[in-house]
Amino acid sequence: NAGVMQNPRHLVRRRGQEARLRCSPMKGHSHVYWYRQLPEEGLKFMVYLQKENIIDESGMPKERFSAEFPKEGPSILRIQQVVRGDSAAYFCASSQRLGQGDSPLHFGNGTRLTVT
Amino acid sequence: DQQVKQNSPSLSVQEGRISILNCDYTNSMFDYFLWYKKYPAEGPTFLISISSIKDKNEDGRFTVFLNKSAKHLSLHIVPSQPGDSAVYFCAASGGGGGADGLTFGKGTHLIIQP
Repeated sequence: NAGVMQNPRHLVRRRGQEARLRCSPMKGHSHVYWYRQLPEEGLKFMVYLQKENIIDESGMPKERFSAEFPKEGPSILRIQQVVRGDSAAYFCASSQRLGQGDSPLHFGNGTRLTVT
Repeated sequence: DQQVKQNSPSLSVQEGRISILNCDYTNSMFDYFLWYKKYPAEGPTFLISISSIKDKNEDGRFTVFLNKSAKHLSLHIVPSQPGDSAVYFCAASGGGGGADGLTFGKGTHLIIQP
């Protein structure tokens, strides 16, 4: 019974490079969320996707960040031209259906991005 | 503007005693509240939730209380055990945090002393 799988666990990038973070939701889950946690902060919502659709990206920075959840394969969070401020833990979560009360989010173990 | 606030960054409790973690919110549109537990280097794990139409929900050693008029909720853990040492996040949904995504507090680090 695999949970939410994220890879890589740790990612080091130099300033200006691209970072690609992958997330496979739990089996049977079609709703995917990405969250970012900066040091000493709580988790901040970034984007919510269903298969082939971005439903809400109100938490995504306007530039350099993009996300997709293709029909086949994992969800990808892409950060282009990374800067030091992008260093954070990025968590993916999935749920079976919309509605938090009876369908809580299940989180992966995160990808820790370090920009040098 | 923080809509979900956990004002205690850390809390130390003796094993066997009750742990009480507090959370305040400002958005009256929130209709579900959840607690997540997080160990280092792992993702948050869902613990317990409560709907805004209730004032109490219990699951084993964990009980969540909701006071809507005060916009306050609390998580009670009794008796506290060493494995409960973790960071606890309060979260809320229904307030527009991303199509029913969650709005999180900053977390409280609970330390259970033997």
